[in-house]
Amino acid sequence: SQKIEQNSEALNIQEGKTATLTCNYTNYSPAYLQWYRQDPGRGPVFLLLIRENEKEKRKERLKVTFDTTLKQSLFHITASQPADSATYLCAPLNQAGTALIFGKGTTLSVSS
Amino acid sequence: ETGVTQSPTHLIKTRGQQVTLRCSSQSGHNTVSWYQQALGQGPQFIFQYYREEENGRGNFPPRFSGLQFPNYSSELNVNALELDDSALYLCASSSRDIGSEQYFGPGTRLTVT
Repeated sequence: SQKIEQNSEALNIQEGKTATLTCNYTNYSPAYLQWYRQDPGRGPVFLLLIRENEKEKRKERLKVTFDTTLKQSLFHITASQPADSATYLCAPLNQAGTALIFGKGTTLSVSS
Repeated sequence: ETGVTQSPTHLIKTRGQQVTLRCSSQSGHNTVSWYQQALGQGPQFIFQYYREEENGRGNFPPRFSGLQFPNYSSELNVNALELDDSALYLCASSSRDIGSEQYFGPGTRLTVT
């Protein structure tokens, strides 16, 4: 069955550092991959989409990579700020563009 | 805040009962997807509606059913509630474009006792 693993449940870093979150998937060949941010008690908020034929995508301080050989996506937040503290979810999408399942998420805490 | 609203915010039901959850989509979006998020887990896809027709379904039994109305708002119905149905139910609206951004509502927290 399809499996999505996000590297760790919690990641603690200092303000100004780069946070790197990992999303690995097995038994799946997604055509796209999305990253979302979720704050406690709220629905996920879309951050970035990357397509299988794209190696890298950037948006302001965010960068996503997609390696279909390793079956892995990396999500980077540069110059992290306490306001970046949240849970980050990855969501591989099938050819129809549907995210059947999201990763459990990695909870990022940025301390000042 | 997205333009997606969900009601009710919280709900407590007894095993065996039925429940209806509601979602109003963001203006201009014709596609609504429903997800179940158990505590400590990522959202799992239940089904999607596009122009009032079911347009894809995840691994959920038939007692999970839905509707989409002409104004693109949507309902999720769950019959014969089980304890494992306790979760946060999220709806997300989007355009029909593949991979397009989904706008999630705040969710309905369902507790089955």
